[in-house]
Amino acid sequence: DAKTTQPTSMDCAEGRAANLPCNHSTISGNEYVYWYRQIHSQGPQYIIHGLKNNETNEMASLIITEDRKSSTLILPHATLRDTAVYYCIVRPRSNTDKLIFGTGTRLQVFP
Amino acid sequence: DGGITQSPKYLFRKEGQNVTLSCEQNLNHDAMYWYRQDPGQGLRLIYYSQIVNDFQKGDIAEGYSVSREKKESFPLTVTSAQKNPTAFYLCASSIIGQGNEKLFFGSGTQLSVL
Repeated sequence: DAKTTQPTSMDCAEGRAANLPCNHSTISGNEYVYWYRQIHSQGPQYIIHGLKNNETNEMASLIITEDRKSSTLILPHATLRDTAVYYCIVRPRSNTDKLIFGTGTRLQVFP
Repeated sequence: DGGITQSPKYLFRKEGQNVTLSCEQNLNHDAMYWYRQDPGQGLRLIYYSQIVNDFQKGDIAEGYSVSREKKESFPLTVTSAQKNPTAFYLCASSIIGQGNEKLFFGSGTQLSVL
């Protein structure tokens, strides 16, 4: 079973910030939080990941709560091309453990 | 360009037939993975490999087989034992490290049953 909980769907107006929440209340101290997105009929694309600190890159920002039980992916200025399914995943430190994808959040950006 | 190439994009299987999906990477990654995705669902792990000539079953390995004869290649065979093979199949690769390695995905193969 997936270790994360995400809303099934969200809407966002073009140009506004999209804030996608993720609950990972059972996360362990050695597990990273990863975000990927999947545009219809394509392979998932890596967005960002973090362990404890907030992270930012050219695509998004990742805010992780102090207790690490939840996080938020922020797309600062959503565009129509950001319409996709967004997956929040916890990744164990050991590569022998399996990466589990849930059903993700379907983000619809509208004009 | 470096990346992962999956072929074919679309594949049709007849009843009782084995089919093989190709996955090649030129990223020099040690680990490779196969996932299955059903409509509206997340990804489920079929098999993964961390080194040549070695691989492990994922959550839904029944009816599938793999080989890893070369570092760059990780083909997946969908056998006749897989009774519900229609799905979108994704191959991925990564380096092996401390758990902070991102996955790189191919563009997928859509398999359908005739």
